[in-house]
Parts: sequence; structure tokens; C-alpha cells
Amino acid sequence: GAGVSQSPSNKVTEKGKDVELRCDPISGHTALYWYRQSLGQGLEFLIYFQGNSAPDKSGLPSDRFSAERTGGSVSTLTIQRTQQEDSAVYLCASSFAPGTGWNEQFFGPGTRLTVL
Amino acid sequence: GENVEQHPSTLSVQEGDSAVIKCTYSDSASNYFPWYKQELGKRPQLIIDIRSNVGEKKDQRIAVTLNKTAKHFSLHITETQPEDSAVYFCAASLYNFNKFYFGSGTKLNVKP
Repeated sequence: GAGVSQSPSNKVTEKGKDVELRCDPISGHTALYWYRQSLGQGLEFLIYFQGNSAPDKSGLPSDRFSAERTGGSVSTLTIQRTQQEDSAVYLCASSFAPGTGWNEQFFGPGTRLTVL
Repeated sequence: GENVEQHPSTLSVQEGDSAVIKCTYSDSASNYFPWYKQELGKRPQLIIDIRSNVGEKKDQRIAVTLNKTAKHFSLHITETQPEDSAVYFCAASLYNFNKFYFGSGTKLNVKP
């Protein structure tokens, strides 16, 4: 079946502009995560959605970052007034049913964001 | 919150040798520890995981060990092959909450 997909694959924007990154999780997966991966670095947790529960936003680095998940499926990560330090690969992942033993996260291919 | 540290940051081994990557965590409540492999330009993929009720798990040439008392866990790759070259990430999570904290990654280079 189809895996996690993300769009766009690459995004180049000018400093100060807003950007939207999209994630389509695997159908039926209740959990969705956003991570940021800077060049040569690890995965930095940003936000976590689980079903209809309130999202865990504790990893968002500033109030310029926000995310939503509509209908328990597609998610959009929005970065307002982009800064050069926002340049990174943004990875989305989904998993089936956290807490039941099915914790494996399946990652999307990522969106490479470059802020000029 | 949880803090996961990973060492070494880079590791170079000869084909056929073993490779060991170590991680420590700070939150004793963490009880699920997956390892991900990320090949150049590709997405991370789960290769093995371990839960806190076991001390060791093996899958062919890969094994993971967990020491809950010391709060560290390790990835062991035996008989390394060039296709094992990649960046490996460890992570820690609270099983029921499913929030993951990742290590900074280890770049493994297996020389033919």
C-alpha cells in the first residue's frame, strides 16, 4: 500500500514569507508526528497528533510554527515569517495505534526547506 | 523531559568487523527504544526495537541490548557489509504516550 507522502519535496522561499508543508499519513494510522532534521543533525520533535486528542505541541520552537490535522488524516505544518535558521528537512511520520504495541513510525520522504 | 545522547557521532569499520553504537537516556519512565537507519537521501526506517521488559533482542546480524539500571542501550551489528553504511538513530519513548526523543545519530561507514 501507499506509504507516508509529503509535499512539496523541495521548497525555496525568501526570508519573511510563510510556507505550508503537507503530510499524508498511511490510511488508518491514528498518530502523526512532525520532526525537523537540520543538516547532519538528529531528528528534533516538533508536534504529535493522536486521534481526536489535543496535539502535543511541546516541540514547536516558536509561535511562528503551527500545525493542524484535518479529519484525523492530512496534516499541514505552517511556518510564518520564515527565518534562515528554519532551513532544514521537515519529516512527517505516522503510526498505527500508539500504546497497543504497534509503535513503529513510518516516515515520509521529507520536505527540504531552504530560506534565502 | 527526556534527553537521549548517542555515541559515537561517526564510526568507520572494515567490512566483516562488528560495530557498536551506544545511547543513554535520562527519563527512567521511558520503556520503548527503537533504532532507525537512514541511508543517504532516504527516509529513516525502523530496523529493530526493544521494550523495557527484555534485556536483549536479536535479528540476524543486528542486536540491541538494554540496561535499565544504567539507562543505556546499544546497537550491535556483526559481520558488517558496505550496505550497512548509513546514519543510525536511537530513540526513547514512553510506550503509552508515544512521544519519541531521538539521539543525534551515528554515521557508520563500512569500508570494503
